[in-house]
Amino acid sequence: EDQVTQSPEALRLQEGESSSLNCSYTVSGLRGLFWYRQDPGKGPEFLFTLYSAGEEKEKERLKATLTKKESFLHITAPKPEDSATYLCAVRSNSGGYQKVTFGTGTKLQVIP
Amino acid sequence: GAVVSQHPSRVICKSGTSVKIECRSLDFQATTMFWYRQFPKQSLMLMATSNEGSKATYEQGVEKDKFLINHASLTLSTLTVTSAHPEDSSFYICSARDSTTALDGTIYFGEGSWLTVV
Repeated sequence: EDQVTQSPEALRLQEGESSSLNCSYTVSGLRGLFWYRQDPGKGPEFLFTLYSAGEEKEKERLKATLTKKESFLHITAPKPEDSATYLCAVRSNSGGYQKVTFGTGTKLQVIP
Repeated sequence: GAVVSQHPSRVICKSGTSVKIECRSLDFQATTMFWYRQFPKQSLMLMATSNEGSKATYEQGVEKDKFLINHASLTLSTLTVTSAHPEDSSFYICSARDSTTALDGTIYFGEGSWLTVV
């Protein structure tokens, strides 16, 4: 069974205090790992897709990396507007059937 | 970037009636769309996977006769909550996989629909 675990559950940072969010996964046949940002009462907003170990992607203050077992979302010098819940999801292929499994998210709060 | 539009964003219906939620991929084709339900402060719960032109695949515990899913075109999927009850009140979110360029395309989400059954 595919599993996705995100840590920490909640993270409180001072503005400018860099940190990383973790997404550990166990899947059979990884076909992509996704990072999303979700604000309260809204649908998840796509951030990154990573497909293979060693791949990295950046967008403004965010950088996502991928290994064979986990992914990190690095946040450099965060601002209050970065406060949100960050979701990680993996897509796997088992017997020709693709499945997407989500983690429970990391709630990030950035304090001015 | 790719956009998935979900409508309505908020709907209130009376107990016993049915309500339809639409999910459209605006600038890409989506052979596969997903429907989720999200309870307050919880993560997304996959309800079903819909493939264009075929029957949806429902997750265990999700009543297919209550949550009717139709994916009649490459850009539109609908979720109909039939005979709605107050316990069906929730935040429903759809997502669509961009299959235009590759099978493993990125998945984009709609804005979500708040359903309140009174």
